[in-house]
Amino acid sequence: DTGVSQDPRHKITKRGQNVTFRCDPISEHNRLYWYRQTLGQGPEFLTYFQNEAQLEKSRLLSDRFSAERPKGSFSTLEIQRTEQGDSAMYLCASSSGRGEGAINNEQFFGPGTRLTVL
Amino acid sequence: AQSVTQPDIHITVSEGASLELRCNYSYGATPYLFWYVQSPGQGLQLLLKYFSGDTLVQGIKGFEAEFKRSQSSFNLRKPSVHWSDAAEYFCAVGPNMEYGNKLVFGAGTILRVKS
Repeated sequence: DTGVSQDPRHKITKRGQNVTFRCDPISEHNRLYWYRQTLGQGPEFLTYFQNEAQLEKSRLLSDRFSAERPKGSFSTLEIQRTEQGDSAMYLCASSSGRGEGAINNEQFFGPGTRLTVL
Repeated sequence: AQSVTQPDIHITVSEGASLELRCNYSYGATPYLFWYVQSPGQGLQLLLKYFSGDTLVQGIKGFEAEFKRSQSSFNLRKPSVHWSDAAEYFCAVGPNMEYGNKLVFGAGTILRVKS
C-alpha cells in the first residue's frame, strides 16, 4: 500500500492556461474525492466519485473545472482558463466503499498539488 | 447545513505541557466527527474519529477527544505535547446520507511547540 499519490506536486501557470492534475488512489479503494485548500482555510469539498461515476459536485466546481475517473482507478482534475483565484492546494482522498457504515470509512489523503496562477 | 468552528487560529504550548484544541460543530443530526493533522508538505492524517458509543475516543500519537453533545463540541487533547506535534490540526464533520459524502472541515488550528 503506497498511499494516495498526486502528480504534479507543484504547478505554476499563467492566467488563462489550462492545467490538469492526476490522483492515484489506494488500489482497492472505490471512492475518490477532490478537495481544495486555500491559505488559512480547511479543505473544501469539490467532487466525489464512486468507481467511475461522479456522484456529487460542489457549487465551488465551476464550469471551468472538470473531473474524470474513466476506469474507476486514477482520476484527473482539469481547470480551464485558470484565474488567480484558482491558486490553492488541490487534495485528493480515497476511501473504501465496502463494509457496514462504509460512508464513514476513513478518507486517506494524498500530499496535494499546489497550484500557483500568475 | 453542516459547519465546523475552530476558534483558535494559533496555539503555542511548551513541550511537555498539556494541550486542548477546541472544535464546535453545527449539525442537524448525530454527527460523525474527525480530527486530522497536517504537517508542512504532507497530506492530512487521521488522528481519531467519533461515530457513536463512548464519548471519549482515543487516537494515534497519544491524542484523545471528547464528544459533548450539549456543547456541540469535540475538543482534542493531549496530556504532554512533544515538539514533533507542531503541525496544523483540522476538525471535520463527516459524511452522512443527508449531506452527502463530503467531509466539512474547520479552518484549522496551527500548533507551535516551544522548547
